[in-house]
Amino acid sequence: GAVVSQHPSRVICKSGTSVKIECRSLDFQATTMFWYRQFPKKSLMLMATSNEGSKATYEQGVEKDKFLINHASLTLSTLTVTSAHPEDSSFYICSARTGGWGTDTQYFGPGTRLTVL
Amino acid sequence: AQKITQTQPGMFVQEKEAVTLDCTYDTSDQSYGLFWYKQPSSGEMIFLIYQGSYDEQNATEGRYSLNFQKARKSANLVISASQLGDSAMYFCAMREVTGNTGKLIFGQGTTLQVKP
Repeated sequence: GAVVSQHPSRVICKSGTSVKIECRSLDFQATTMFWYRQFPKKSLMLMATSNEGSKATYEQGVEKDKFLINHASLTLSTLTVTSAHPEDSSFYICSARTGGWGTDTQYFGPGTRLTVL
Repeated sequence: AQKITQTQPGMFVQEKEAVTLDCTYDTSDQSYGLFWYKQPSSGEMIFLIYQGSYDEQNATEGRYSLNFQKARKSANLVISASQLGDSAMYFCAMREVTGNTGKLIFGQGTTLQVKP
């Protein structure tokens, strides 16, 4: 159980285009999902918290107009990188929260490697 | 402020031997959760083990055990009988309890290489 999928796994796009990444919890419902960015050999950097039915909460320094997050259902959250530029190239990884208060665990998707040319 | 520290950027271990990956944390909360994740070169983050701050016994999951020393604020991961497939980056994380956001704070990670 607790499987999270992410699509696409890899994407290459031209500068100026928008890219949508999907994160799905396959066998559980997740009222909260998280989006992270990771640079090579570095730790995960939390970008935003995605809450079903409400606006995402962005971390300080993350441009909300550039990284659009939509949590349309209890099993799906999407991250859209708008007007992507080469500096947005990175590994993006989502997680879904499951479990009760104080005992919840995050399960991660396999990640999406974005390359902006 | 809550903080997680992993002081070992890289570790080597011989196959079949045990290895300990260090993790220390800092928090003023009485209730918190500690996690270890494994990230192989493929990039996915694999949940390994969880320890609650009120758990009296150290958590164990197969070859993984968490050496929880609350007074020292340490939560080291012990991998017994290392296998080549254990070569990966390992992250220690702490769950924020304040505000029930569920956010995880990650350490810098430790790259483990298992030698045949």
